[in-house]
Amino acid sequence: KQEVTQIPAALSVPEGENLVLNCSFTDSAIYNLQWFRQDPGKGLTSLLLIQSSQREQTSGRLNASLDKSSGRSTLYIAASQPGDSATYLCAVSPLGGQGGKLIFGQGTELSVKP
Amino acid sequence: DTGVSQDPRHKITKRGQNVTFRCDPISEHNRLYWYRQTLGQGPEFLTYFQNEAQLEKSRLLSDRFSAERPKGSFSTLEIQRTEQGDSAMYLCASSPRTGKTYEQYFGPGTRLTVT
Repeated sequence: KQEVTQIPAALSVPEGENLVLNCSFTDSAIYNLQWFRQDPGKGLTSLLLIQSSQREQTSGRLNASLDKSSGRSTLYIAASQPGDSATYLCAVSPLGGQGGKLIFGQGTELSVKP
Repeated sequence: DTGVSQDPRHKITKRGQNVTFRCDPISEHNRLYWYRQTLGQGPEFLTYFQNEAQLEKSRLLSDRFSAERPKGSFSTLEIQRTEQGDSAMYLCASSPRTGKTYEQYFGPGTRLTVT
């Protein structure tokens, strides 16, 4: 059974700091891995999607890497800003299913202090 | 393209009542997903449609839950005889038939409170 774990559960950093969020998964048989952002009481916003054949994706100050063999992904946020404060979720789409359901980690709650 | 929409955004109901939620996916997206999220947890998969066919259901989807997508466009999720444990955020997502076919776009969610 695929399980996704995110460490740490919560993180507080001063503005301007670079930071790394970690995600691990137990089964390397995946289609892709997605990172999402969720603001309190709101839906999810997709940040980056990495296909299983890719090693990383970049969007602005965000960079996500994928090491499928070790079951790990990281989300790197450069020059953090207070507006980055949110919960960050990673999710994998397992192979073998009929079409792309996502299995989520519990999330990392990020607070960026001005 | 107005994004995935969900209605209502909030629902308060008494235990034992039935509730129905609606999800409108992004136009031309053929896949539609329902998830449930409780406080402090990541979303959990409930069920998935490709066009009008319901292709997968989680064991979380007890016989009190039913989902439909009759014309392959909008979907409804009904919960019968609600229980306090059903209190959660219900999220809908859709993904396109071409391009990044497994990239899911989420709606704002429906927050259900069962009193």
